[in-house]
Amino acid sequence: SQQGEEDPQALSIQEGENATMNCSYKTSINNLQWYRQNSGRGLVHLILIRSNEREKHSGRLRVTLDTSKKSSSLLITASRAADTASYFCATDDSGNTPLVFGKGTRLSVIA
Amino acid sequence: EAQVTQNPRYLITVTGKKLTVTCSQNMNHEYMSWYRQDPGLGLRQIYYSMNVEVTDKGDVPEGYKVSRKEKRNFPLILESPSPNQTSLYFCASSPYRAGEQFFGPGTRLTVL
Repeated sequence: SQQGEEDPQALSIQEGENATMNCSYKTSINNLQWYRQNSGRGLVHLILIRSNEREKHSGRLRVTLDTSKKSSSLLITASRAADTASYFCATDDSGNTPLVFGKGTRLSVIA
Repeated sequence: EAQVTQNPRYLITVTGKKLTVTCSQNMNHEYMSWYRQDPGLGLRQIYYSMNVEVTDKGDVPEGYKVSRKEKRNFPLILESPSPNQTSLYFCASSPYRAGEQFFGPGTRLTVL
């Protein structure tokens, strides 16, 4: 099964800066989701973007989707120390298969 | 409160001793799944269930069993655990296959 691939693997920024993470995938998708995981805890759903959408916002989160490039980006604006976590994308391809998660981007926000 | 619960949260066991990790959701979700998470390998799906009595293999099903006798419960069974099954395990549920997944808090399993 295809797997979204996040980039970079790790990112370290100062509080107040913006953080951008990218996800690339290989085949056509129905939707793409982003999740956050605080260390050792369960993943928490952040946002879902459908293949016919180009951009979605949720608070300080902005997600874009470019189906022609098979990529998505997650932007966290004005980051806070509490945003320190791993972020995963998950893709739903056009078949009847389960969501597939990438390996994640580990974000560290330094106060 | 809508949630997915897992038990136990931590378990240390020995090779070959059968164990069950329970998973329960109170959201009336059709879809449930089990994942394991290992450093450098990300989240890999073990088994999933589209509905009661319907289960299917994920990417890494070897050494695991599941059952879905009731909609709310989806236990993970390790008949004969081995050290390579030491991992962090997550149960998740969703209204449908590709919907928003609700994850449990995780079970950290160590097999000696």
